Amino acid sequence: QQQVKQSPQSLIVQKGGISIINCAYENTAFDYFPWYQQFPGKGPALLIAIRPDVSEKKEGRFTISFNKSAKQFSLHIMDSQPGDSATYFCAASFTGFQKLVFGTGTRLLVSP
Amino acid sequence: DAGITQSPRHKVTETGTPVTLRCHQTENHRYMYWYRQDPGHGLRLIHYSYGVKDTDKGEVSDGYSVSRSKTEDFLLTLESATSSQTSVYFCAISEDRGSYEQYFGPGTRLTVT
Repeated sequence: QQQVKQSPQSLIVQKGGISIINCAYENTAFDYFPWYQQFPGKGPALLIAIRPDVSEKKEGRFTISFNKSAKQFSLHIMDSQPGDSATYFCAASFTGFQKLVFGTGTRLLVSP
Repeated sequence: DAGITQSPRHKVTETGTPVTLRCHQTENHRYMYWYRQDPGHGLRLIHYSYGVKDTDKGEVSDGYSVSRSKTEDFLLTLESATSSQTSVYFCAISEDRGSYEQYFGPGTRLTVT
């Protein structure tokens, strides 16, 4: 019940296109949903996060869409650029929980 | 960047030898975590610490032990390294538990031959 399922495993998008990565969870206690971005040879870094009191959060070209009833959330990257090529991890946690539960990651390649 | 360093950054060792990885932080954060990253598995939690001398197991703790004698240092020990422990190991820190950002170190690439 603590799992977060992420799809797709890999994604190729043309420059200027929209990249969409999806995550699903089971534990309804989760109330914090971050996305991490990882470049080759680096540690993951927080990209954007959402709490379930809103259905969408936008920061620049990155948007999280959250569907509480479906227990799903997704990352949308608008106008994808080659510099966005990285591995993206979704995660979930809840207030008072000691850990972040991570998805298995999506390797995004944006072709020039 | 959060002040997290990991040492060594790369290590090759032989099966059966003990290995210790070090994570050092300058942020005075209470929570520290060790993860391993493997293709197809994402980030899996090995152990974590919620204070000096306070540690607990994660989902893949078998074959690993940890110690935290100071706020700033969190050590991960492989008592007798096996080839299945070949991986990239990341340390992370967090100001508090749950819905707080985790800051990751640069990683240690460990190869067990």
